[in-house]
Amino acid sequence: TQLLEQSPQFLSIQEGENLTVYCNSSSVFSSLQWYRQEPGEGPVLLVTVVTGGEVKKLKRLTFQFGDARKDSSLHITAAQPGDTGLYLCAGYSWGKFQFGAGTQVVVTP
Amino acid sequence: DTAVSQTPKYLVTQMGNDKSIKCEQNLGHDTMYWYKQDSKKFLKIMFSYNNKELIINETVPNRFSPKSPDKAHLNLHINSLELGDSAVYFCASSQVGMSSGNTIYFGEGSWLTVV
Repeated sequence: TQLLEQSPQFLSIQEGENLTVYCNSSSVFSSLQWYRQEPGEGPVLLVTVVTGGEVKKLKRLTFQFGDARKDSSLHITAAQPGDTGLYLCAGYSWGKFQFGAGTQVVVTP
Repeated sequence: DTAVSQTPKYLVTQMGNDKSIKCEQNLGHDTMYWYKQDSKKFLKIMFSYNNKELIINETVPNRFSPKSPDKAHLNLHINSLELGDSAVYFCASSQVGMSSGNTIYFGEGSWLTVV
């Protein structure tokens, strides 16, 4: 049983479109991280959110931590082919980060 | 220079064999990890070492034995390989032990296929 559920599992969009991916759990996390993993590479940290309701922006990426610290969303504005990758969320609880299964995002030119 | 490097990147081996994956980090971090990513991309922690001391040992078959000769190295030895061991194994490190604000740096992964 996975602690974190990510949706959708797969998302294919055209360049210039917006997208949102979700990370949900019934558990409360001290913090939540988002990583992007490209084919043949390891995950790379994008952001850490700590406070309930927190919003962080990283260029065209907007991350939000739910008020109850159980869920998070990642919104990409005007997606580009370079945004293609597997987006993983990881919640911190019980002394370790638990990862979701990821959302595979494909942005076509 | 690669921050977390692991070898080999690809490994194809027969059932029943014993194999090792090596990992080194040049970031000066105290803590290193092994993660397993299955075919559904689910990333699960296996082990965590802090300064050569085992900190986290998830429910992993005892055919998997990590070894940390020093804090910059964490190797993974797998005995009697089974088909279900096929996965991508990621080595990782962080500045201090796993805590809520830490950044985990991952290696490129070792793709293990057991036939």
